[in-house]
Amino acid sequence: GDSVTQMEGPVTLSEEAFLTINCTYTATGYPSLFWYVQYPGEGLQLLLKATKADDKGSNKGFEATYRKETTSFHLEKGSVQVSDSAVYFCALSDSGGGADGLTFGKGTHLIIQP
Amino acid sequence: GAGVSQSPSNKVTEKGKDVELRCDPISGHTALYWYRQSLGQGLEFLIYFQGNSAPDKSGLPSDRFSAERTGGSVSTLTIQRTQQEDSAVYLCASSLGIQTQYFGPGTRLLVL
Repeated sequence: GDSVTQMEGPVTLSEEAFLTINCTYTATGYPSLFWYVQYPGEGLQLLLKATKADDKGSNKGFEATYRKETTSFHLEKGSVQVSDSAVYFCALSDSGGGADGLTFGKGTHLIIQP
Repeated sequence: GAGVSQSPSNKVTEKGKDVELRCDPISGHTALYWYRQSLGQGLEFLIYFQGNSAPDKSGLPSDRFSAERTGGSVSTLTIQRTQQEDSAVYLCASSLGIQTQYFGPGTRLLVL
């Protein structure tokens, strides 16, 4: 079946550091890929997505590129802020993005220190 | 506009009792999803509705779990004879067709 693997953390960085959160996936078809973020005390929010190979999703300074050859969708940001502290979830959908449940990774807890 | 809403936000119940969790999707969204978020299992997909029908119920953890959706809008997730391992945050999401899923704030369930 489908699966998503990501580093669980916690990942602790200083403000303005470069961030990479690795995500790899296994899927039977050609999935759409997502990063969701959960800020403290809040619900899951879509951060970015990519629906086909070589697509790059971006939002709020975060980027991730759909790499079919390495089955990866790593999340990057050039300069993190304290406000980026949250749990980040990588996810996939094998049905074009919604007409079926998402398969999530375990989540990566990111802590940014001033 | 209004997002996905869920009620109650918190529920404490005794083992063996039944609970009902409610989800109000974004107006006009045809698809609705239930997930469970727990420390041990992470985020698990439970069931989804396209309109009022649920094509696949195999994600429900046991036959104590059931869900329904009426009028293509509100959905209820019912857990009968709750067990301590049912303690988790239950999340609802909705989408317009096969587009991006938008999540509600969740219901935190604690079974004593």
